[in-house]
Amino acid sequence: DAKTTQPNSMESNEEEPVHLPCNHSTISGTDYIHWYRQLPSQGPEYVIHGLTSNVNNRMASLAIAEDRKSSTLILHRATLRDAAVYYCILRETQGGSEKLVFGKGTKLTVNP
Amino acid sequence: DTGVSQDPRHKITKRGQNVTFRCDPISEHNRLYWYRQTLGQGPEFLTYFQNEAQLEKSRLLSNRFSAERPKGSFSTLEIQRTEQGDSAMYLCASSAQRGRSVEQFFGPGTRLTVL
Repeated sequence: DAKTTQPNSMESNEEEPVHLPCNHSTISGTDYIHWYRQLPSQGPEYVIHGLTSNVNNRMASLAIAEDRKSSTLILHRATLRDAAVYYCILRETQGGSEKLVFGKGTKLTVNP
Repeated sequence: DTGVSQDPRHKITKRGQNVTFRCDPISEHNRLYWYRQTLGQGPEFLTYFQNEAQLEKSRLLSNRFSAERPKGSFSTLEIQRTEQGDSAMYLCASSAQRGRSVEQFFGPGTRLTVL
């Protein structure tokens, strides 16, 4: 299974931008980069995904390094509701597996 | 609310008892997944179905675990002879189609406590 590396925890202040890093040095050329988050006592929810180009949606932005060995999830203005565990996941192409492989993620704390 | 529902939300049982959980995916989704999450860890994949066919099973899914999706709609996960190590959150997810860019929609989970 492809591996990602994320910091265990990060802190931010409300209404400030947050940059959540993820390293994936073993990424293959056709692997997608997905981000999910898990709020307390809830199931994970999809945030964003990308392949090569930077991506924006209503929740966040995804910045992908040119060599694709790292990416950054950007929350433009953190709110208290963004406090969650954020998971960076590679969707692999080898073996045809449909599963998501979660690591431990980054626990984001948002201070008022 | 993602549209994926799970029942029950909480289950407390004694060691050695059998338990069964139900998942109702988003109605037009033909793919259904089960994951297990223990405290402080990310979810771990257990198994997945395309329609009624079970296409992949994790080695985590011991012979005490069985999952079914008989009509390609709802799914059940049964654990026989529960052990304390089975205590975890059991998550169900569904998706519309195959593909590395397709998101999975997760339910709220069933929290199992084995005494």
